[in-house]
Amino acid sequence: AQKVTQAQTEISVVEKEDVTLDCVYETRDTTYYLFWYKQPPSGELVFLIRRNSFDEQNEISGRYSWNFQKSTSSFNFTITASQVVDSAVYFCALSEALSDSWGKLQFGAGTQVVVTP
Amino acid sequence: DAMVIQNPRYQVTQFGKPVTLSCSQTLNHNVMYWYQQKSSQAPKLLFHYYDKDFNNEADTPDNFQSRRPNTSFCFLDIRSPGLGDAAMYLCATRGWGDDSYEQYFGPGTRLTVT
Repeated sequence: AQKVTQAQTEISVVEKEDVTLDCVYETRDTTYYLFWYKQPPSGELVFLIRRNSFDEQNEISGRYSWNFQKSTSSFNFTITASQVVDSAVYFCALSEALSDSWGKLQFGAGTQVVVTP
Repeated sequence: DAMVIQNPRYQVTQFGKPVTLSCSQTLNHNVMYWYQQKSSQAPKLLFHYYDKDFNNEADTPDNFQSRRPNTSFCFLDIRSPGLGDAAMYLCATRGWGDDSYEQYFGPGTRLTVT
């Protein structure tokens, strides 16, 4: 069963618009980690953020912000004032600390973000 | 800068001709992973090493093998590539024991099978 769901396949915005990427996860572990990775056209997966299951504090880093809500099993990602350089595929991923101690990442299907000038 | 390096970035091989992809890291991480990523799909874990301990995913074909001669290097061998093995191959590393669960990825090797 899919453990990480990214329902949005592609989002197109015009530069300076905000864009929110949805991520819903499923796990029975009480300790788990959630991640967002960015994959630009060059192909490299770039780590953006890690969130622990016991830390529901939202986080802001520059134009990026993340909203973690355990009650709805969601870990959403917002890019504020988008730029063309934000065009990429964004992956949400889950690592279950108890079920898999090797840190295996379970990726969502990814959301393609297209930012046009 | 510490990093994960993959060579070559692009590899073309013929159907059935063995090919080896390489990965090196300067992060001194214990765990190294190999992923296969096909077009418009999420990365799929093939196997990983914790130091020299090898762990194969249950659905990884026997055609894929791996070697890790030391902490810094890891190789992916495809014994008889088929057309379906054309993909991006990503190497990743992760530290251990420092409560750091994020994986750091290399730039990938894009494999074409002709």
